[in-house]
Amino acid sequence: DADVTQTPRNRITKTGKRIMLECSQTKGHDRMYWYRQDPGLGLRLIYYSFDVKDINKGEISDGYSVSRQAQAKFSLSLESAIPNQTALYFCATSESGTLQQYFGPGTRLTVT
Amino acid sequence: AQSVAQPEDQVNVAEGNPLTVKCTYSVSGNPYLFWYVQYPNRGLQFLLKYITGDNLVKGSYGFEAEFNKSQTSFHLKKPSALVSDSALYFCAVSPLDSSYKLIFGSGTRLLVRP
Repeated sequence: DADVTQTPRNRITKTGKRIMLECSQTKGHDRMYWYRQDPGLGLRLIYYSFDVKDINKGEISDGYSVSRQAQAKFSLSLESAIPNQTALYFCATSESGTLQQYFGPGTRLTVT
Repeated sequence: AQSVAQPEDQVNVAEGNPLTVKCTYSVSGNPYLFWYVQYPNRGLQFLLKYITGDNLVKGSYGFEAEFNKSQTSFHLKKPSALVSDSALYFCAVSPLDSSYKLIFGSGTRLLVRP
């Protein structure tokens, strides 16, 4: 969905480096989410935010942090990247009070 | 624990034949159910959802899904498959708590051969 953009689309980094993945949306939605996708595991929720001041941990938040800089921006940081954080990362948004989520194109992250 | 199961890693079907992609769930209460599709190098796209009402839900691209409460299943179907339907399909459930979170299955790759 072009209304949800993610940068970078691909990134290769080394173990121990700090890296930030960015997500922006023009849909005007309050809620934003970060997922990671691993083969055979589907999508797992890392963090979610219902508004700028409301940030919540998902099922796999260890090793990650987030920042909701504005309603339209939600960044995911890996403080010290490790190889098992190699995955496809998706940002998603939803409108307050609804469940349907709209996904960005994904960021493929490789940690060597 | 709340979970979604997609028992088939891959489904193979010939073009023109009907297809079914299976999904079962384990969630308390009456959940909302979703199907998403992922094409190569793309994010997930919404196909359809079940909230309440008719057990047969119609969605995008000719897909439909049948909700079966007694079997806790929400199978995705299409009467006549197209090669362009080849993609990765995800079932998801929302447990209707205050979190508005989605729990995803592991995904099923659909391969439609000409």
